[in-house]
Amino acid sequence: NAGVMQNPRHLVRRRGQEARLRCSPMKGHSHVYWYRQLPEEGLKFMVYLQKENIIDESGMPKERFSAEFPKEGPSILRIQQVVRGDSAAYFCASSPLDRVGETQYFGPGTRLLVL
Amino acid sequence: AQSVTQLGSHVSVSEGALVLLRCNYSSSVPPYLFWYVQYPNQGLQLLLKYTSAATLVKGINGFEAEFKKSETSFHLTKPSAHMSDAAEYFCAVSDYSGGSNYKLTFGKGTLLTVNP
Repeated sequence: NAGVMQNPRHLVRRRGQEARLRCSPMKGHSHVYWYRQLPEEGLKFMVYLQKENIIDESGMPKERFSAEFPKEGPSILRIQQVVRGDSAAYFCASSPLDRVGETQYFGPGTRLLVL
Repeated sequence: AQSVTQLGSHVSVSEGALVLLRCNYSSSVPPYLFWYVQYPNQGLQLLLKYTSAATLVKGINGFEAEFKKSETSFHLTKPSAHMSDAAEYFCAVSDYSGGSNYKLTFGKGTLLTVNP
């Protein structure tokens, strides 16, 4: 059973460009979380999605960031008009159930560098 | 909201020595607690988790953690450090605040170095 897949692993963008980060959850998992890791910081929750639904996006910046998890295909985290402060590692995690204490399985992350 | 504090952003031990990484939490509800390990440029791997079944939790690679409600702590230990344990360790609490979102709240991490 393949783990959580993320691509690209590394992404370089210039200020003002768009960044698209993809996450394929583990087989059988329909719950996806996105987290951001800034330098020397722990991971911060951004958004929680189930298939075709955004359940909680309270950790997402109000502007330029959006996420989706379509019926078919990977979950996408989209950052429009990137700025240098968006440089970070972005991780997605998946779980099979929405139950307290359920393990979240993390992907290898996408490291975004904004020039 | 729940929160996690990891005391010591950097811990250095000698190979074969005891590893102790500290984690304190605050939670208004019975917590579910996790320790994850992150190797350089990789994702997070679950070491162990506490889900109220037993206060002493054993994980992978010889690590264990003890839940102490009176101290609101969940410290991670390993009797004898190995060079391969060098990594960053994150403590997390399942931050349930209603609805169906069981997002994790993480501490800032502790970087463990192991000296030969």
